[in-house]
Amino acid sequence: GAVVSQHPSWVICKSGTSVKIECRSLDFQATTMFWYRQFPKQSLMLMATSNEGSKATYEQGVEKDKFLINHASLTLSTLTVTSAHPEDSSFYICSASLRADNEQFFGPGTRLTVL
Amino acid sequence: AQKVTQAQTEISVVEKEDVTLDCVYETRDTTYYLFWYKQPPSGELVFLIRRNSFDEQNEISGRYSWNFQKSTSSFNFTITASQVVDSAVYFCALSEYGDTGNQFYFGTGTSLTVIP
Repeated sequence: GAVVSQHPSWVICKSGTSVKIECRSLDFQATTMFWYRQFPKQSLMLMATSNEGSKATYEQGVEKDKFLINHASLTLSTLTVTSAHPEDSSFYICSASLRADNEQFFGPGTRLTVL
Repeated sequence: AQKVTQAQTEISVVEKEDVTLDCVYETRDTTYYLFWYKQPPSGELVFLIRRNSFDEQNEISGRYSWNFQKSTSSFNFTITASQVVDSAVYFCALSEYGDTGNQFYFGTGTSLTVIP
């Protein structure tokens, strides 16, 4: 199957700082990438869908100005958590697909801890 | 409304026992996909199976088997002769094609503990 990587795999930051998480499709070009968030002992919740070269579509309740998503190329999407606070601590997982209606391939996740 | 329901939050079995994880889904689409993922403590999702809505054949892969029944909107997962390494959280998921493209809905997960 297709390979998706995320960097970093974990990050600890101080409250008020911004953190950028990268999601890369390593062996295919992903027109669509998805960002999920998973709190401890809970399911994955879709945060936003991004198509290469256009603005991301955010799910209801997800703050666009807080979670900035950039999908500048067919192999890279970034999620920036701006002015992070402890309640943003979570496991962030991205996925990528060849086309909008195609199977999603998941990255290994990034564990964010905000102190 | 929950699109994917995994009623079992936690299950514990003794090693070598069989265990079935239930999954019920809800969709109005005629074309959709169903998935099972395993999430070990490391967090990375491990893909187990993908099944499209037109293929109701049951599938067996080693100790794993899946029972897809459209009549009851269920896609249950059975592990035969469970092992300690099977301990993980298992997610059932539904994929539909929505306005913004492929939409993925995860169930709440079933935490399986296999006791040696």
